[in-house]
Amino acid sequence: ETGVTQSPTHLIKTRGQQVTLRCSSQSGHNTVSWYQQALGQGPQFIFQYYREEENGRGNFPPRFSGLQFPNYSSELNVNALELDDSALYLCASSLSLSYEQYFGPGTRLTVT
Amino acid sequence: QQQVKQSPQSLIVQKGGISIINCAYENTAFDYFPWYQQFPGKGPALLIAIRPDVSEKKEGRFTISFNKSAKQFSLHIMDSQPGDSATYFCAAKADWVRTDKLIFGTGTRLQVFP
Repeated sequence: ETGVTQSPTHLIKTRGQQVTLRCSSQSGHNTVSWYQQALGQGPQFIFQYYREEENGRGNFPPRFSGLQFPNYSSELNVNALELDDSALYLCASSLSLSYEQYFGPGTRLTVT
Repeated sequence: QQQVKQSPQSLIVQKGGISIINCAYENTAFDYFPWYQQFPGKGPALLIAIRPDVSEKKEGRFTISFNKSAKQFSLHIMDSQPGDSATYFCAAKADWVRTDKLIFGTGTRLQVFP
């Protein structure tokens, strides 16, 4: 059984550009949550997808958007990148709602 | 009220010693309290978790103590090893609300010296 995987590992973008990050959930998991972790901070909840529907979002602007596919993999899109978007983006999958969340290795995004 | 406060920010322990990390919360709706371990360049790994119906949970060298009335919980690492050197995050969530989101503490950087 494979764990949560994320791609790419690292990414460097310029301010104003757009980026797409990808996440493959653990086998059998139908819920994916995305978190942003700034350097030296705890992860902050961005949004969650349950069975292809958004199931709530945190205090992030609309330029952060996402998608979950029928195989429950997911992607996070960020438009109009800002310098403060530089962070580690983490994806977590869970068997369903109210189950343990297991994190992937993250994508390190640097915005210059 | 959504915050989880974690202390200390950093901790230095000698090999074989006990590492203790504390967390406090305000939101009484929280009913699931996990601890995550994160190594540099890696994602957080679930270490151990507890629900408010028990006051203590032990898994190997790791123990969570939970005080519902004080709204506090702590992680104890017995016989600390250099391989335990990592950043530890406490978290909390309310399982019964629509959005299943984890609220994280600010992290504790643990260094275990031989």
